[in-house]
Amino acid sequence: DTEVTQTPKHLVMGMTNKKSLKCEQHMGHRAMYWYKQKAKKPPELMFVYSYEKLSINESVPSRFSPECPNSSLLNLHLHALQPEDSALYLCASSQVLAGVVPPYNEQFFGPGTRLTVL
Amino acid sequence: AQSVTQLGSHVSVSEGALVLLRCNYSSSVPPYLFWYVQYPNQGLQLLLKYTTGATLVKGINGFEAEFKKSETSFHLTKPSAHMSDAAEYFCAVRSSLGGTSYGKLTFGQGTILTVHP
Repeated sequence: DTEVTQTPKHLVMGMTNKKSLKCEQHMGHRAMYWYKQKAKKPPELMFVYSYEKLSINESVPSRFSPECPNSSLLNLHLHALQPEDSALYLCASSQVLAGVVPPYNEQFFGPGTRLTVL
Repeated sequence: AQSVTQLGSHVSVSEGALVLLRCNYSSSVPPYLFWYVQYPNQGLQLLLKYTTGATLVKGINGFEAEFKKSETSFHLTKPSAHMSDAAEYFCAVRSSLGGTSYGKLTFGQGTILTVHP
């Protein structure tokens, strides 16, 4: 299984709502990533988890709260978002060797969740 | 620091014509280079990657890219475009330095490829 799955595919939420995005992979990858992609722009890294621990937070506002409950699952909890947070949210995973992600290892991306904040 | 420049945000070709998407990188150490393709409303799919060794890299769907260190380039080509190649293409670079443990990718701004019948 070489897939990264993401649910839901589409999400519309109001600024006062709380929602969660889910990402799952069964490739045994121990590094997982959240990216945000605005229209006609490249993906921007938000968070990195390595061995279920948050390794990197790219100065993301606290209204985005990641969680990695186990080695296959990555969540992104959303609360009090702004309309400018509307974007495609991509999850990715990568193999870890000896505690690091080798630079030659690619990241496997999921199909994304299209988020619209009203 | 590393960076990627993709020349041309839009490229348009006729079906059957050569596809050439340009990517130049900046890196103080030998880079690892990737090309990803993104179809509308989908995630990114790896087309090919350069790590070490042979500088001409073959990927999926008939694409290939050549790493030219002297030109700091990693252009993507396909001899004959197909309608199904219409998508956005991202070049990305990762440093070979072991500094960070998670291997941060630096993406170019993307090139939208349009294929005309």
